[in-house]
Amino acid sequence: SAVISQKPSRDICQRGTSLTIQCQVDSQVTMMFWYRQQPGQSLTLIATANQGSEATYESGFVIDKFPISRPNLTFSTLTVSNMSPEDSSIYLCSVGETVSYEQYFGPGTRLTVT
Amino acid sequence: AQKVTQAQTEISVVEKEDVTLDCVYETRDTTYYLFWYKQPPSGELVFLIRRNSFDEQNEISGRYSWNFQKSTSSFNFTITASQVVDSAVYFCALSANSNSGYALNFGKGTSLLVTP
Repeated sequence: SAVISQKPSRDICQRGTSLTIQCQVDSQVTMMFWYRQQPGQSLTLIATANQGSEATYESGFVIDKFPISRPNLTFSTLTVSNMSPEDSSIYLCSVGETVSYEQYFGPGTRLTVT
Repeated sequence: AQKVTQAQTEISVVEKEDVTLDCVYETRDTTYYLFWYKQPPSGELVFLIRRNSFDEQNEISGRYSWNFQKSTSSFNFTITASQVVDSAVYFCALSANSNSGYALNFGKGTSLLVTP
């Protein structure tokens, strides 16, 4: 399985600022996803970020708030813009293997907005 | 539309008891994948198993076993002889080809507490 790292692992940010989260994979992957896990909740898909195409956002998530880059097959970034306390969550990237469809997750970025 | 239901919010057992976590899913796709993940208190999401819709064989891995029944749209997870280290939130998830690709639809999770 792919090894996935995320930076930063955690951060405390002030309202109104932006944070960019990086996701690095040790192998080339086509499918990459960004999820949000609010405190005590399940995971919700933010967007699908396949290389070579624009990110596809789920209902309730917009590009202006959560811009995503996918410059190559091993890297992606998610920016949380103009943050408010409601954005306090764990943000996780995951990758999907094309043949097995198994999906693996990064360790997550724990974001607190004050 | 795809949906995963984990009706059990919290389960508490004493060590060495067997415990079954229920998962019921809904999808109109004929090809789909079912998953179980473990999220210990440390927060990382640990992949446990993937099953595709064409393979209804039950699977056993050590103390873990999974029962996939298409007739009831269920994919239940049993831990035999539970241990304190099994304490975690367990998520069942479903993926199928959609506008989001094969992104995962998660259930709400079942929090399992195993006490000594």
